Amino acid sequence: DGGITQSPKYLFRKEGQNVTLSCEQNLNHDAMYWYRQDPGQGLRLIYYSQIVNDFQKGDIAEGYSVSREKKESFPLTVTSAQKNPTAFYLCASTGREQETQYFGPGTRLLVL
Amino acid sequence: KQEVTQIPAALSVPEGENLVLNCSFTDSAIYNLQWFRQDPGKGLTSLLLIQSSQREQTSGRLNASLDKSSGRSTLYIAASQPGDSATYLCAVRLLYDYKLSFGAGTTVTVRA
Repeated sequence: DGGITQSPKYLFRKEGQNVTLSCEQNLNHDAMYWYRQDPGQGLRLIYYSQIVNDFQKGDIAEGYSVSREKKESFPLTVTSAQKNPTAFYLCASTGREQETQYFGPGTRLLVL
Repeated sequence: KQEVTQIPAALSVPEGENLVLNCSFTDSAIYNLQWFRQDPGKGLTSLLLIQSSQREQTSGRLNASLDKSSGRSTLYIAASQPGDSATYLCAVRLLYDYKLSFGAGTTVTVRA
């Protein structure tokens, strides 16, 4: 069963803490993306990666970091520098032809 | 920078009525346009993808049109059902770019 998995479904962050959101895909897609969704707003791109060991900043990269050591995995770290991290985070991927974008189920991050 | 607008933000219709959802974009140099569906607290599901060379795309009760010159796309959903209640988002990819620009979405409620 091909698809994208994200974990955890809910994540709680304490003040000054770094947290990491997991994203795994078994679609054999080259490109992977991280988006942030806030109520009433469209998705905003945080980071994207076209190939392993390479990634680029999106529109709102400050306070976030990523790695792409394996084709299947693209974890996102929300650092303590991100002052307003409460949001719904979505991971996505596309195939070589950069056509349809497939999304994971999302992780909701809340601040304690 | 590509701006994508979806109006109205919310729509409520009785069951059986046809739905018309609008998406406008500012830069007509697009590669493709996608329509997505999002249920509350879930990830996005791709509904239709229209290439820049196409005028429309159909899947079952769904039909999406594209007019690049006027910067508009319309999603038609025929004979709406309560199960069609969701938020519908459009996203545009520009030529020579890997990123999608998203609208804020239209939240549809179909009343039984």
